[in-house]
Amino acid sequence: DSGVTQTPKHLITATGQRVTLRCSPRSGDLSVYWYQQSLDQGLQFLIQYYNGEERAKGNILERFSAQQFPDLHSELNLSSLELGDSALYFCASSVGSGWETQYFGPGTRLLVL
Amino acid sequence: EDQVTQSPEALRLQEGESSSLNCSYTVSGLRGLFWYRQDPGKGPEFLFTLYSAGEEKEKERLKATLTKKESFLHITAPKPEDSATYLCAVLGNFNKFYFGSGTKLNVKP
Repeated sequence: DSGVTQTPKHLITATGQRVTLRCSPRSGDLSVYWYQQSLDQGLQFLIQYYNGEERAKGNILERFSAQQFPDLHSELNLSSLELGDSALYFCASSVGSGWETQYFGPGTRLLVL
Repeated sequence: EDQVTQSPEALRLQEGESSSLNCSYTVSGLRGLFWYRQDPGKGPEFLFTLYSAGEEKEKERLKATLTKKESFLHITAPKPEDSATYLCAVLGNFNKFYFGSGTKLNVKP
């Protein structure tokens, strides 16, 4: 158990809908990272937040957004969902902002029908 | 173009049969190279970070090395519990972070 929690574990929704994925980092970690893992594209970095501020952006679509709250939990919002958004979404956390050791959560499996 | 390539895609070993996994990369300004292990349906688990060419790190049966163009993950006398997908990731300038597609390792008893 990495200490990072993600909810929900599974999510099934329809095209065009909007969903919110939630992540709670390990106690004491200030950075949260979001990743998408699909069969065809592998594991891709989406976005990083550090102590409430956006720190780095990867291949995140405009339909996706994220934020980190004062209690350091983070939410990833996915809107206008398409079939191709079906994937495993992982959250990871680390102590600082410098991409040191990241601890990954168990993931949220999203299925868009 | 920044790229991370792992080989082989899959590797089957007998228990005790040592081997190496390769991660070659092209990235602007390497700031770190990371190795992770991922079991099916789970999040990646951190193994090593390497920062500069010539650096080596070891943990139990695993040893990671880094050159200017590639990294190797050496597995010595593997056991069935070492079966997993091993992922390499690189961090470049401007916080560009890329994972390779992984090597799926299967160790038979």
